[in-house]
Amino acid sequence: DAMVIQNPRYQVTQFGKPVTLSCSQTLNHNVMYWYQQKSSQAPKLLFHYYDKDFNNEADTPDNFQSRRPNTSFCFLDIRSPGLGDAAMYLCATSRGSQGFGETQYFGPGTRLLVL
Amino acid sequence: AQSVSQHNHHVILSEAASLELGCNYSYGGTVNLFWYVQYPGQHLQLLLKYFSGDPLVKGIKGFEAEFIKSKFSFNLRKPSVQWSDTAEYFCAGGGYQKVTFGTGTKLQVIP
Repeated sequence: DAMVIQNPRYQVTQFGKPVTLSCSQTLNHNVMYWYQQKSSQAPKLLFHYYDKDFNNEADTPDNFQSRRPNTSFCFLDIRSPGLGDAAMYLCATSRGSQGFGETQYFGPGTRLLVL
Repeated sequence: AQSVSQHNHHVILSEAASLELGCNYSYGGTVNLFWYVQYPGQHLQLLLKYFSGDPLVKGIKGFEAEFIKSKFSFNLRKPSVQWSDTAEYFCAGGGYQKVTFGTGTKLQVIP
């Protein structure tokens, strides 16, 4: 029944040690998003894919990268995590057929802790 | 620039009280507005959305929201809340393929 799956749910990494977060979907949606959400703040869009087309937000640090090897999977790579990158990372999908007004379907999130 | 603001960060209500959560947006293009809800331990999910047409939008679980263009508002309402409505509520405004979220309102309903 799960539609957007994120692994792991909790991730602990060390300062500067690369980490990869994973997202998969069973909805066959064209668009996949990665958000960063810090405590008491709004989810902040980092980037999104429309199929294989990558769309980076202007203020997303270079430290954050993403890969989408196929329709179902999308990865968030943090090359050198800093203490300020500790947050909840949310993956979401949308159909991509309308463009405007589309519902996004969210995964449960991965909480990243940087030591 | 597109922005969404929510005025209430934490709201506490007794069961059966009426609810109104404020949301204001600023966006120059086509307006798409959403309310998402996150119940404790669960993922974000859509409560309702406005794309076009009737400005009064009805969503799941008895929630509704009214798009008032002149006030740049999209407030969420429910006439009588239940304990199970305890959750965090996010207003969001969308452009093409993207949305901007507000900071969220935590609603606590006391039995």
